[in-house]
Amino acid sequence: AQRVTQPEKLLSVFKGAPVELKCNYSYSGSPELFWYVQYSRQRLQLLLRHISRESIKGFTADLNKGETSFHLKKPFAQEEDSAMYYCALREETSGSRLTFGEGTQLTVNP
Amino acid sequence: ETGVTQTPRHLVMGMTNKKSLKCEQHLGHNAMYWYKQSAKKPLELMFVYNFKEQTENNSVPSRFSPECPNSSHLFLHLHTLQPEDSALYLCASSQGSTLRDEQYFGPGTRLTVT
Repeated sequence: AQRVTQPEKLLSVFKGAPVELKCNYSYSGSPELFWYVQYSRQRLQLLLRHISRESIKGFTADLNKGETSFHLKKPFAQEEDSAMYYCALREETSGSRLTFGEGTQLTVNP
Repeated sequence: ETGVTQTPRHLVMGMTNKKSLKCEQHLGHNAMYWYKQSAKKPLELMFVYNFKEQTENNSVPSRFSPECPNSSHLFLHLHTLQPEDSALYLCASSQGSTLRDEQYFGPGTRLTVT
């Protein structure tokens, strides 16, 4: 069965520092990977997806099939980036099923 | 209100009670989902409905009974729950249920079973 692992439950950085939220997955096929974000008192929302290959709010994520990773990166963290971040995987054959990681709480300190 | 709404936002119920959670989407989507988010566990998919038909049941106990009367509304009927069922229940919707359909989430219902 597919699985998504986010090894860090908590991550704290200072404003302006680079940040990387790790995500590893186990799936033998060709998955689609996502990052979802939940800001304080807001609903879960899509941040970015690997097939879009775009940068959202300064964040990027590259799918590395060799390392089965999809780490989320931002070169200069901002205080407003503080949130809960979830990595998610969708199988090529599952259609709608999303498998989520446990999430990483990012805190950006001033 | 636009997007995906859920009511109630908070619910406390006893193990012998019967209650229902409601989800409504105003996005014209055709697929709707129930997720469970327990403390210290990943978000878990429970049910998927596509064009009002249930297309996925992720081995959910029968004390959870979903209902989808139309593409805009989704219910989760609860009866004889256990304390371990206490969690945040999230509803989501998407245009379709294909690989590229983004899921939009509601704010969730925080359920406490006493």
